[in-house]
Amino acid sequence: QAVVTQEPSLTVSPGGTVTLTCGSSTGAVTSGRYPYWFQQKPGQAPKLLISDVSNRHSWTPARFSGSLLGGKAALTLSGAQPEDEADYYCLLSYNGAGVFGGGTKLTVL
Amino acid sequence: EVKVLESGGGLVQPGESLRLSCAASGFTFSMYAISWVRQAPGEGLEWVCAISGRGDVTYYGDSLKDRVTISRDNFKNTVYLQMNTLRAADTAVYFCAKGLGPYGSNPSDYWGQGTPVTVSS
Repeated sequence: QAVVTQEPSLTVSPGGTVTLTCGSSTGAVTSGRYPYWFQQKPGQAPKLLISDVSNRHSWTPARFSGSLLGGKAALTLSGAQPEDEADYYCLLSYNGAGVFGGGTKLTVL
Repeated sequence: EVKVLESGGGLVQPGESLRLSCAASGFTFSMYAISWVRQAPGEGLEWVCAISGRGDVTYYGDSLKDRVTISRDNFKNTVYLQMNTLRAADTAVYFCAKGLGPYGSNPSDYWGQGTPVTVSS
């Protein structure tokens, strides 16, 4: 099974910008892996932020954006807010089967 | 209002089986794929399996595919996850989630709050 890699932890200052990445053990991440990004806060179910590389949804704050960067999927947070402190997971698709990354714990400090 | 509700979790002994249910409402159920995702205590998310809206296509992750079966009853707006030969490592909260369309394996916009499964003797 493929392994999806994320930074275990990152810290961003309030108002700052941070980029989380999502890599694949099978090679470059492309749009064909349909990368999704989820946010999860303690005790809550995950919440979809971005689908198919860069599609935001009506509930996704505009400060979150998705892209492909250097062979990886990327989630950029511009103008971090205290409420953005959470775990972030990417999900890639491999012939119909999904594989989550290990998650990035984002601290806003 | 879209609602997704898992049920059927509980305490089971190693080697036993369990069937989880995922009941949904507030949307045309047969038009959307449903996924199962689990999360062990203090750990990350693990994608388990998914089923297309009509139930004609199923997707399974490598780690569980020999021990789980996903199915759905579109008359009852319910998806089921049959899990067999459970192990301690299967202890987790099991979430089900609606997809964005009839096909595709990704959990998406609506999730339940999860049902806990504990495998222990």
